[in-house]
Amino acid sequence: QSVLTQPPSVSAAPGQTVTISCSGSSSNIGNNYVSWYQQLPGTAPKLLIYDNNQRPSGIPDRFSGSKSGTSATLGITGLQTGDEADYYCGTWDSSLSAGIFGGGTTLTVL
Amino acid sequence: VQLVESGGGLVQPGGSLRLSCAASGVTVSSNYMTWVRQAPGRGLEWVSIIYSGGSTYYADSVKGRFTISRHNSENTLFLQMNSLRVEDTAMYYCARGHSNLQYWGPGTLVTVSA
Repeated sequence: QSVLTQPPSVSAAPGQTVTISCSGSSSNIGNNYVSWYQQLPGTAPKLLIYDNNQRPSGIPDRFSGSKSGTSATLGITGLQTGDEADYYCGTWDSSLSAGIFGGGTTLTVL
Repeated sequence: VQLVESGGGLVQPGGSLRLSCAASGVTVSSNYMTWVRQAPGRGLEWVSIIYSGGSTYYADSVKGRFTISRHNSENTLFLQMNSLRVEDTAMYYCARGHSNLQYWGPGTLVTVSA
């Protein structure tokens, strides 16, 4: 059971918008930056969002991140079939002195 | 930036392995460097980190069994894994960063089985 809670799966039609939530506590999300990762089948994860809402170079602005209190959200607009992947939130936990990930959310583009 | 892991393989329970992560385009000694693993069909699990200053941290699941280190002149990160258990079976990734892991290697597979 992960310290960060994500929904196991979300789905939406092409072109639509989806959000993925990540819930934590004051020792992790509440006081540390959140990152989001996309993992396509059979590949290493890729950084999508860092420092709660920043996009690395090359990540389209269809992907966005936000944080409020002890929760974070990844938003994806204009869904494409190529967005089908597993998505993970991650942060540092100050009480554990360790990094942590959410359990992951599988996105299906119907 | 390129990170390439090696050293994975099949090992019996109780055995040891040393994973390596060869880096180019990034100086291992000047960056946070992290190991993350993923058991088959499961999610990501953070394993360990080494700071540029040398401080190290571990997940409770590997504390006392795994050791992260680096060889500065070879620009290589290591993960020494002792007392391996079946539940350590996973793809092991090295990555650059602390809570934001920007660069990842393709991973090396560790299988612990009798």
